[in-house]
Amino acid sequence: AQSVAQPEDQVNVAEGNPLTVKCTYSVSGNPYLFWYVQYPNRGLQFLLKYITGDNLVKGSYGFEAEFNKSQTSFHLKKPSALVSDSALYFCAVRDSSWGKFQFGAGTQVVVTP
Amino acid sequence: DTGVSQDPRHKITKRGQNVTFRCDPISEHNRLYWYRQTLGQGPEFLTYFQNEAQLEKSRLLSDRFSAERPKGSFSTLEIQRTEQGDSAMYLCASSEQGVSTDTQYFGPGTRLTVL
Repeated sequence: AQSVAQPEDQVNVAEGNPLTVKCTYSVSGNPYLFWYVQYPNRGLQFLLKYITGDNLVKGSYGFEAEFNKSQTSFHLKKPSALVSDSALYFCAVRDSSWGKFQFGAGTQVVVTP
Repeated sequence: DTGVSQDPRHKITKRGQNVTFRCDPISEHNRLYWYRQTLGQGPEFLTYFQNEAQLEKSRLLSDRFSAERPKGSFSTLEIQRTEQGDSAMYLCASSEQGVSTDTQYFGPGTRLTVL
């Protein structure tokens, strides 16, 4: 079985400040971890993924994520948030190289000017 | 690359009616997934195809739901005798076979409202 937890429903940050969105996971085997972003009335846009290799993964729009096996976490980060980063962020996991995702409930990010 | 497309974008129907949604994946992608997303929740898996074969169906997919991908290209999702609880965003995603490239790319979704 696989599961994902996003402990924060909403994260508020001022523009220019660092942004962190938390994600923890549980899988029976090796984790395949993804982050997606969703803007209102839109589908999900892929940001980045961890399959293997370096624990720090860099993705689109200046986002990065750090895989921590001991803490079973995959937190999304951005050094300097923009107002345009305001959106709904989803963490997703699967326990195989392909197949269905298990998504978290999502975290709403609000970046204020 | 035109991305994943879905049609229609919005559908309003009355309870008891049948509806059908279409998904056109990215052209070289042989895997296609359907998810359902309700307000305030993450997407939930419904079913997926590799080429024309339907490999897995969620228990969420009741007997009223059926999905097809007859030629391994576009897919349809049909809901028969719709219920108000079927109101949701239906998302389609596609991916290309291979460990390093099996990222799912999502379409814009079809928002279903059952009155």
